[in-house]
Amino acid sequence: DIVMTQTPLSLSVTPGQPASISCRSSQSLLLHSDGKTYLDWYLQKPGQPPQLLIYEVSNRFSGVPDRFSGSGSGTDFTLKISRVEAEDVGVYYCLQTIQLPWTFGQGTKVEIK
Amino acid sequence: EVQLVESGGGLVQPGGSLRLSCAASGFTFSNYWMNWVRQAPGKGLEWVANIKPDGSEKNYVDSVKGRFTISRDNAKNSLYLQMNSLRAEDTAVYYCARDGRVLPYWGQGTLVTVSS
Repeated sequence: DIVMTQTPLSLSVTPGQPASISCRSSQSLLLHSDGKTYLDWYLQKPGQPPQLLIYEVSNRFSGVPDRFSGSGSGTDFTLKISRVEAEDVGVYYCLQTIQLPWTFGQGTKVEIK
Repeated sequence: EVQLVESGGGLVQPGGSLRLSCAASGFTFSNYWMNWVRQAPGKGLEWVANIKPDGSEKNYVDSVKGRFTISRDNAKNSLYLQMNSLRAEDTAVYYCARDGRVLPYWGQGTLVTVSS
């Protein structure tokens, strides 16, 4: 199975400041047959199901604020929040869907200072 | 509006069985892959299984192979997860989620507790 490793596991951020979460996979997530890289980012707010933020590394899902951005390639990926807001608290997960079973990172808990 | 509503969770003894359902609305159910994802109390997310739109392909995480069966009824816009030989470590909130490699829509989840 592909192992997804997120760092850090927790983050305390002052509102208005940037935040960055790293996700590393044990194998490349690039599918050569279609040229896509299957790495998504999800946010699970307290008491809610996960919600999709970013798909295929850098594509924001509908309605996701542009302060969220994703980057990376191969096995190293980053989710950046340009200016953290109070509503961004929760646990962030990366997910690989290039190889079954799909696997999530351990999660990064973001809180506001 | 896409809606996914899970049901069927509850308390079950180790070794017992439970069938979860996910009622879908707001989209053409028969066109989409569907997934089950679970989350143990206080833990992270774990993908459990998925099924092709026509039901002809099913995939599972190793820890549930041979015990869980995913199925769907496109006429009823419903997804199911039959869970047999349940273990304490299957205790979790079970979410259904739409689509193949990206999961843009999730239900609210249903809690399964395996305990004597």
